[in-house]
Amino acid sequence: GENVEQHPSTLSVQEGDSAVIKCTYSDSASNYFPWYKQELGKGPQLIIDIRSNVGEKKDQRIAVTLNKTAKHFSLHITETQPEDSAVYFCAASRKGSSNTGKLIFGQGTTLQVKP
Amino acid sequence: DAGVIQSPRHEVTEMGQEVTLRCKPISGHDYLFWYRQTMMRGLELLIYFNNNVPIDDSGMPEDRFSAKMPNASFSTLKIQPSEPRDSAVYFCASSFLNQPQHFGDGTRLSIL
Repeated sequence: GENVEQHPSTLSVQEGDSAVIKCTYSDSASNYFPWYKQELGKGPQLIIDIRSNVGEKKDQRIAVTLNKTAKHFSLHITETQPEDSAVYFCAASRKGSSNTGKLIFGQGTTLQVKP
Repeated sequence: DAGVIQSPRHEVTEMGQEVTLRCKPISGHDYLFWYRQTMMRGLELLIYFNNNVPIDDSGMPEDRFSAKMPNASFSTLKIQPSEPRDSAVYFCASSFLNQPQHFGDGTRLSIL
């Protein structure tokens, strides 16, 4: 089955610096890659997603890149702020197949942004 | 719009007791997912429904776990009998067609 590896497990940056989190997936049929942010005591919240027909997507300070050949995708956060501190999860799934919507999550990255 | 609503937010009970977790998906969503989150295993999909019908329950750990969705606005996850190793945060999520999943804030379950 699908396996998603996420690195690093923890990341500490200074406010204003950039943060990059990387994920690799095993199932070449995966075509949908969301990123979730989880704050303490809350459920994961979608922050950005990308489909396999696109190589990059950007939303203000957040961007995601996808390399289908290498089967990896990355989250980039620029100009980090203390409120970006949280646990970030990548995920992969096959949209449109019999397993529509079945997300396989990475292990999570705890991001700390120091003021 | 109200998001996914889960209850209770916290549950503490003794091993052997029956536990029932509840979820109200976002109105109009046709997919509903139950996840379990632990430090050791991360976020695991337990089961998901499409139009109230269970589609994939391969993540349900054992027969002590069962899930139902009697209508489009309500689902339950039941553990009977509960064991200490079931302690975790359980999340419910919902989505519409191929749109992203929206998560509730979870139920923190502690089995003593």
